[in-house]
Amino acid sequence: SQELEQSPQSLIVQEGKNLTINCTSSKTLYGLYWYKQKYGEGLIFLMMLQKGGEEKSHEKITAKLDEKKQQSSLHITASQPSHAGIYLCGADANSGGSNYKLTFGKGTLLTVNP
Amino acid sequence: GAVVSQHPSRVICKSGTSVKIECRSLDFQATTMFWYRQFPKQSLMLMATSNEGSKATYEQGVEKDKFLINHASLTLSTLTVTSAHPEDSSFYICSAPQGGPGQPQHFGDGTRLSIL
Repeated sequence: SQELEQSPQSLIVQEGKNLTINCTSSKTLYGLYWYKQKYGEGLIFLMMLQKGGEEKSHEKITAKLDEKKQQSSLHITASQPSHAGIYLCGADANSGGSNYKLTFGKGTLLTVNP
Repeated sequence: GAVVSQHPSRVICKSGTSVKIECRSLDFQATTMFWYRQFPKQSLMLMATSNEGSKATYEQGVEKDKFLINHASLTLSTLTVTSAHPEDSSFYICSAPQGGPGQPQHFGDGTRLSIL
């Protein structure tokens, strides 16, 4: 089965600082999804990456998938308290990117101090 | 706005009670939905795949008789925790893929279940 390892497990930054969260897979990623979760709430979809070398940005968040498609990073520029939460990477458990049965990393808890 | 609606958001009940959680896809049909469980400070654990018109597919270690899943229509899946006990207390979340492969899954807001 596919395992996703996220690092760091938790992160505390000062408002305005940049940060990066990593997601590493033991197998080739056929669809990599980044979600954000507030504790006790549902998941908010951030971005999806499929192609090796792909990079997507939304507001101050940029996600990349490496050429080998085994590692993804999520970068936040000039962090704000609103960025605080749990960031989860998820991947298609089935090869071919069928968008079924996502497996998730353990998450990264981000705290942004004002 | 939300594309997947989950209800209720919170349940507190006595041990031995059965609890039903609903997951609805809004404005789209979902032949497949997924049920996850999340323990405090842990990631999501896939429990089962809900299939419209057929039996659910359970992940290894998940008790089928404890967690009954019904997917009676293209927009509704229900998870019933039967004879719930304190160890069933958890955060349960459903999701549904919108569109074909490569489209993101949308998640409900979750249900916090507390069994006394």
